[in-house]
Amino acid sequence: ETGVTQSPTHLIKTRGQQVTLRCSSQSGHNTVSWYQQALGQGPQFIFQYYREEENGRGNFPPRFSGLQFPNYSSELNVNALELDDSALYLCASSLEDRNNEQFFGPGTRLTVL
Amino acid sequence: AQSVTQLGSHVSVSEGALVLLRCNYSSSVPPYLFWYVQYPNQGLQLLLKYTTGATLVKGINGFEAEFKKSETSFHLTKPSAHMSDAAEYFCAVSDRNTDKLIFGTGTRLQVFP
Repeated sequence: ETGVTQSPTHLIKTRGQQVTLRCSSQSGHNTVSWYQQALGQGPQFIFQYYREEENGRGNFPPRFSGLQFPNYSSELNVNALELDDSALYLCASSLEDRNNEQFFGPGTRLTVL
Repeated sequence: AQSVTQLGSHVSVSEGALVLLRCNYSSSVPPYLFWYVQYPNQGLQLLLKYTTGATLVKGINGFEAEFKKSETSFHLTKPSAHMSDAAEYFCAVSDRNTDKLIFGTGTRLQVFP
């Protein structure tokens, strides 16, 4: 069984740029959630995708957007990067009706200069 | 609204001593409760979860937690700490009406020889 993978592992961008982060879900999982973890904080929910449609969103501006593909892989896109977007971005996959048990990837560390 | 409070951002114990990490939650509906562990530069790994049924939940690596509704608590314990337990621990809450996890700010566990 393949776990959740994310790419890239590290990324450095400058303010105002755009970034795309990628996630491959655990085999058979049809739901993916994205979280932002700032340094020294707990993860904050960004949004969730289920069967290629957004299925819930946290308190993040529209410049944070996502996609889920038919093979259940996913992308997180962030436009007009700000310094405060520097964080670890975590992807988690799950199965519907499994009591929200989510399996996390190793994360992508984004640094915005 | 749901929330999680983890008392103590840092906990230090000696190897072989009891580990107690505290978590209190707020939820207007029956909660699902989780404990995750995060090792340096890694994603989150599920230790244990409570959804319904037995209030004492056993997880991996010898950890367990007890759901106490009257105290709105879900404290994590381990009878005997091991050096490999040193990590960041996150308590999280969700419910069957939402698909997002609400995390606490985390507790860093240090284990001394």
